[in-house]
Amino acid sequence: NAGVTQTPKFRVLKTGQSMTLLCAQDMNHEYMYWYRQDPGMGLRLIHYSVGEGTTAKGEVPDGYNVSRLKKQNFLLGLESAAPSQTSVYFCASSRTSGYNEQFFGPGTRLTVL
Amino acid sequence: DAKTTQPTSMDCAEGRAANLPCNHSTISGNEYVYWYRQIHSQGPQYIIHGLKNNETNEMASLIITEDRKSSTLILPHATLRDTAVYYCIVRVARNQGGKLIFGQGTELSVKP
Repeated sequence: NAGVTQTPKFRVLKTGQSMTLLCAQDMNHEYMYWYRQDPGMGLRLIHYSVGEGTTAKGEVPDGYNVSRLKKQNFLLGLESAAPSQTSVYFCASSRTSGYNEQFFGPGTRLTVL
Repeated sequence: DAKTTQPTSMDCAEGRAANLPCNHSTISGNEYVYWYRQIHSQGPQYIIHGLKNNETNEMASLIITEDRKSSTLILPHATLRDTAVYYCIVRVARNQGGKLIFGQGTELSVKP
C-alpha cells in the first residue's frame, strides 16, 4: 500500500496563477482532509470531505476550493494564488470520523511569488 | 474541542524515558486525548489515543489523570529518531467530520 500520496511535492507559482494539488489514498478511507502548515505553526484545516461527492469548510477555507469526485482522490484548488498561500500543504485520510487515526501524506511545498 | 497546553520544548537523553505533559483542563466527558508527532518536514504521524484509561502500544504509553484534566505521553526508551514535534489534541470522537485542531506542540530533542 502506498498510503496517502500527494502530487506535486514542490511548486512555485506567480501571484494570480492557479493550480490543483492532488491527494490520493489507497486505503478505502471515507474521510479526507487538507491542512496547511506555516513556519513554526501547527497544522490548520482548510477543507475536508466525509465521503465521495461531499466537501465541507475547515478553519481557513478562503481562497481554496476542493472536490471529491472519486473516493480515493481529494483535490485542492487555488484559483488565484496569493503570497499568503505560501505554505506546506498536507493531505490526510481516515476510515471514519470516529476513533480512527488520520494518515498523512508527505506534503506539498508551495511558494507563491 | 477543548484547548490543550504543552511546553514549547523539552530535551531527553537517548535511551531514557521521555515524558511529555499536556494540560486539558476543560476536557469534556466524551472527548478523547490524541497524540501525534511530526518529524521534521514530514506529515504528522498518529501515536496513540485514550479516553480515561491508560493506554499502551508499540510506540508509547498514555497516562491520563483520574480527573482527565491532564495527560502524559511516555516514550519508554527515546532514540534520536524520536526527535520531533509532539502534538496533544483533544477531540470529540464523532464531531464535525473528525477534525483535528493542532496547537503549537512540544519540540522534543533527543540528545546522545
